[in-house]
Amino acid sequence: SQQGEEDPQALSIQEGENATMNCSYKTSINNLQWYRQNSGRGLVHLILIRSNEREKHSGRLRVTLDTSKKSSSLLITASRAADTASYFCATDAKSNYQLIWGAGTKLIIKP
Amino acid sequence: ETGVTQTPRHLVMGMTNKKSLKCEQHLGHNAMYWYKQSAKKPLELMFVYSLEERVENNSVPSRFSPECPNSSHLFLHLHTLQPEDSALYLCASSQETSRAKNIQYFGAGTRLSVL
Repeated sequence: SQQGEEDPQALSIQEGENATMNCSYKTSINNLQWYRQNSGRGLVHLILIRSNEREKHSGRLRVTLDTSKKSSSLLITASRAADTASYFCATDAKSNYQLIWGAGTKLIIKP
Repeated sequence: ETGVTQTPRHLVMGMTNKKSLKCEQHLGHNAMYWYKQSAKKPLELMFVYSLEERVENNSVPSRFSPECPNSSHLFLHLHTLQPEDSALYLCASSQETSRAKNIQYFGAGTRLSVL
């Protein structure tokens, strides 16, 4: 069954504002990853956070992980038009080769 | 460039045609994947190959036939497809270890339309 679920499904904000997306999952994990997909293209890895980490930064990205609530958030600060894309979280299923993907959050940055 | 190249980028085919999608990775990875992405649905994993051996087949119809001749190349052979098979088909690769799932690198995808 599908594990990762992003919230909200769609988000539209003004350029310069911060964007926050959330991901919930159902079973224990080794790590959680966030990916970005520009329209009609492949996914690009943004950041990986391990189960023993609580927060991680990469440039304008900040990811948090709360294993007690089985949730993660992705914060993009000072958003730019180029951040317009869909964002997906993916968790590992410990017993096989699969990453479990959510349906994604579609982020639109208005200039 | 992600190091994963997919061809063709766009494909239109009739239900009686036979075509193949190609994926090549230049990253030295040991695992390759085919995914199907339909509108407003999560990514669907179709097949996984690890060291040229198929390790996952997620109940994919037999009209999709994967082939992995070596660790750098992956094909998806298509025949007698249905209109509902129209989607973006994504190839990915990763360097897998026994400890945890690692980062996947994706190609740009093949947009398939079945008429």
